[in-house]
Amino acid sequence: GDQVKQSPSALSLQEGTNSALRCNFSIATTTVQWFLQNPRGSLMNLFYLVPGTKENGRLKSTFNSKESYSTLHIRDAQLEDSGTYFCAADTGGADRLTFGKGTQLIIQP
Amino acid sequence: AQTIHQWPVAEIKAVGSPLSLGCTIKGKSSPNLYWYWQATGGTLQQLFYSITVGQVESVVQLNLSASRPKDDQFILSTEKLLLSHSGFYLCAWSPDRGRAEQFFGPGTRLTVL
Repeated sequence: GDQVKQSPSALSLQEGTNSALRCNFSIATTTVQWFLQNPRGSLMNLFYLVPGTKENGRLKSTFNSKESYSTLHIRDAQLEDSGTYFCAADTGGADRLTFGKGTQLIIQP
Repeated sequence: AQTIHQWPVAEIKAVGSPLSLGCTIKGKSSPNLYWYWQATGGTLQQLFYSITVGQVESVVQLNLSASRPKDDQFILSTEKLLLSHSGFYLCAWSPDRGRAEQFFGPGTRLTVL
């Protein structure tokens, strides 16, 4: 099965609303990264997390290592938030990142 | 500030032809370097990583090879392309072994016909 399960796989939101994306891990995870991939393919770093919570503008992310999950909250969604969000788990060792399958987010005006 | 550059931006190649993709990082000495592959609409899969010049470890076998000829350069290649090699190739770097945050280049889109 998938070692990093990301949900939902797709989401459509109205501008101005809030959303939550989630990743569940079935492997021991030391750190988590969240990325946004734009339509051209570039990956933008959103968060790098050890266990705990970080906030950046309208984005907030939590990594709970004891319960093996991470969440990404988007507040007051804007059109430019559209894209595919990936979480990636670092399981230690050779700095290997294991990616989830992504959440395709569409923000509608 | 560190910058990562990948070349070419896109390639269209025939099955059975050779391939060489490049990645250069500037502004950081001795980075860890990584190659990832992404099928269209799919997730990212790590292919290779390198922690130093001349040393490359394979993560997934896809009939590809990688080399690190210089501290700031990482090359992905094959002598014979397969249809299954089509996709998006991303190079990434991280500062050092103790900190695993990875930063990605702009990618190369490969179409094999």
